[in-house]
Amino acid sequence: IQLTQSPSFLSASVGDRVTITCRANQGITSYLAWYQQKPGKAPKLLIYAASLLESGVPSRFSGSGSGTEFTLTINSLQPEDFATYYCQQLKNYPLTFGGGTKVEIK
Amino acid sequence: EVQLVESGGGLVQPGRSLRLSCAAAGFTFDDYAMHWVRQAPGKGLEWVSSISWNSGNINYGDSVRGRFTISRDNAKNSLYLQMNSLRPEDTALYYCAKAAAITMIFDVWGKGTTVTVSS
Repeated sequence: IQLTQSPSFLSASVGDRVTITCRANQGITSYLAWYQQKPGKAPKLLIYAASLLESGVPSRFSGSGSGTEFTLTINSLQPEDFATYYCQQLKNYPLTFGGGTKVEIK
Repeated sequence: EVQLVESGGGLVQPGRSLRLSCAAAGFTFDDYAMHWVRQAPGKGLEWVSSISWNSGNINYGDSVRGRFTISRDNAKNSLYLQMNSLRPEDTALYYCAKAAAITMIFDVWGKGTTVTVSS
């Protein structure tokens, strides 16, 4: 299963609302997770089952979608949110990640 | 505190072998499936392999199947990745990750160990 994230790069300002899209080439119901990775750090789980917030993750992060189209939304972008975001499908092996979306400071 | 610490990375010549280890602490290791994920320099994440709690279910990515072997020792709270016939394209930072309960979500990650395949 291939996952296509868009955009690949996103330039935004603190306080902006940001939306990242992840499209699967076949249906994966809600078997989708989102991860955040900061430079030099391991990825961190944000969202699982497409829309469930991992414990400890700020509520400004939200996920939606099912089937083949999913979105990660960050409301009121904070300085610590500038990072690369990856979606991942867990419906079938081989497990696959999207290509990533780098969120940069405008 | 849940913790995963990878080790065993290094510089290796093409065609040679390397064994990575991941030491787990802070949770009941044999209750959870485990994963290996890698990230080539400047690139995205690539899932490598997964193993169930009892080693009864093992899966590999297409790029490593037949060359890499995942295993675990629940008595030692450790996960392993035996990497044979290494290629330059295997050069990456290798992470181990814990699967969440019931799902295979990667809920805890180690800091990674670097493997460089070069002559």
